[in-house]
Amino acid sequence: QSVLTQPPSVSGAPGQRVTISCTGSSSNIGAGYDVHWYQQLPGTAPKLLIYGNSNRPSGVPDRFSGSKSGTSASLAITGLQAEDEADYYCQSYDSSLSAHYVFGTGTKVTVL
Amino acid sequence: QITLKESGPTLVKPTQTLTLTCTFSGFSLSTSGVAVGWIRQPPGKALEWLALIYWDDDKRYSPSLKSRLTITKDTSKNQVVLTMTNMDPVDTASYFCAHRIPAAHFDYWGQGTLVTVSS
Repeated sequence: QSVLTQPPSVSGAPGQRVTISCTGSSSNIGAGYDVHWYQQLPGTAPKLLIYGNSNRPSGVPDRFSGSKSGTSASLAITGLQAEDEADYYCQSYDSSLSAHYVFGTGTKVTVL
Repeated sequence: QITLKESGPTLVKPTQTLTLTCTFSGFSLSTSGVAVGWIRQPPGKALEWLALIYWDDDKRYSPSLKSRLTITKDTSKNQVVLTMTNMDPVDTASYFCAHRIPAAHFDYWGQGTLVTVSS
């Protein structure tokens, strides 16, 4: 049902860099709508990680960065830490048919 | 600071109507640009946006669930209520409410409430 596609899982060793892609279409990301990213630790509510494609809320480490190009967006985690093991979701707005908010399919990040 | 908390039944039977309440503090839903949304997450699955209500009482619904959802607000009580009709076991999920600012992201989330649909 999600219109934003993410890889199911990515993994990396501590200290490495991992990236998560979020692929949309011309009615959402490609239409110019911003992409936001959320981190969800096991058993907890999602937490805003990146907003407006590349902005970090106060308190989010600068190891997390976001970018957007065309119909896709990416989240990068540099200097991967054990505490980064979580699920990550992208979110945007879709103008097709009935305008609405959309989430990505989610990506599980595993720290090896 | 902004806080939100969901409340409602933990168990509903198939075909019943679910009513969830989001009680919030730290902001007013009468402030221009502010909105509160509902998002759900079946166990082990992805987030799914359900509905959103704006400060001016404008409402938006997920196209796939629009016929079953109603979202309302009570500004004086700082509450947003979501009703979902004709519940089915596939609607078993954690239901979250969240604060949305004009930039269209959800910056504060409630802890969520798990609703199980079973006879």
